[in-house]
Amino acid sequence: DQQVKQNSPSLSVQEGRISILNCDYTNSMFDYFLWYKKYPAEGPTFLISISSIKDKNEDGRFTVFLNKSAKHLSLHIVPSQPGDSAVYFCAASAQSGNEKLTFGTGTRLTIIP
Amino acid sequence: DTGVSQDPRHKITKRGQNVTFRCDPISEHNRLYWYRQTLGQGPEFLTYFQNEAQLEKSRLLSDRFSAERPKGSFSTLEIQRTEQGDSAMYLCASSWYEGEQFFGPGTRLTVL
Repeated sequence: DQQVKQNSPSLSVQEGRISILNCDYTNSMFDYFLWYKKYPAEGPTFLISISSIKDKNEDGRFTVFLNKSAKHLSLHIVPSQPGDSAVYFCAASAQSGNEKLTFGTGTRLTIIP
Repeated sequence: DTGVSQDPRHKITKRGQNVTFRCDPISEHNRLYWYRQTLGQGPEFLTYFQNEAQLEKSRLLSDRFSAERPKGSFSTLEIQRTEQGDSAMYLCASSWYEGEQFFGPGTRLTVL
């Protein structure tokens, strides 16, 4: 039972354009959502998070949007840079991010110079 | 470097052998988590500690797996009688009461 789903295994975007990564979840108990970025042979690196009391959180080039009624969140990266090429994981937890995280299967983002 | 560290980074073992991995969290973090990641999947939760207390274990953690966190500092994850299905990346993360989890580089286990 995949409670967090990333339906796009890969995405290619031109440098300078916007990258949009999507994530859906099924568990209504999830109240905290995070995006992690992973390079090969490294552990996931935290990017940005959002609590269920908000619908948007922005940090520099990264913005996360949460649509609770649709159980959907998205990560926007603008402008996209070559260094953004990595695998992006969406994760969710049921208690403010300090309980176990449930991850999606990841989306491989490739930025084309 | 004050991030999460894991040792060893790579481990190759024969089926049936026991292996032990170590994780050193960020020093002020009181929570420590273990996850497992296989090819094409996201990390899957195994267990977590608050200080020295193990608060939750996933059903993925069979009787062959045991984790400890003596004195609430570093943690060890031991796998007894390894099987080929145990081959994976084992990730450790730590966090403070309020905040996101920070991950280490992982230990890649290959069981031959």
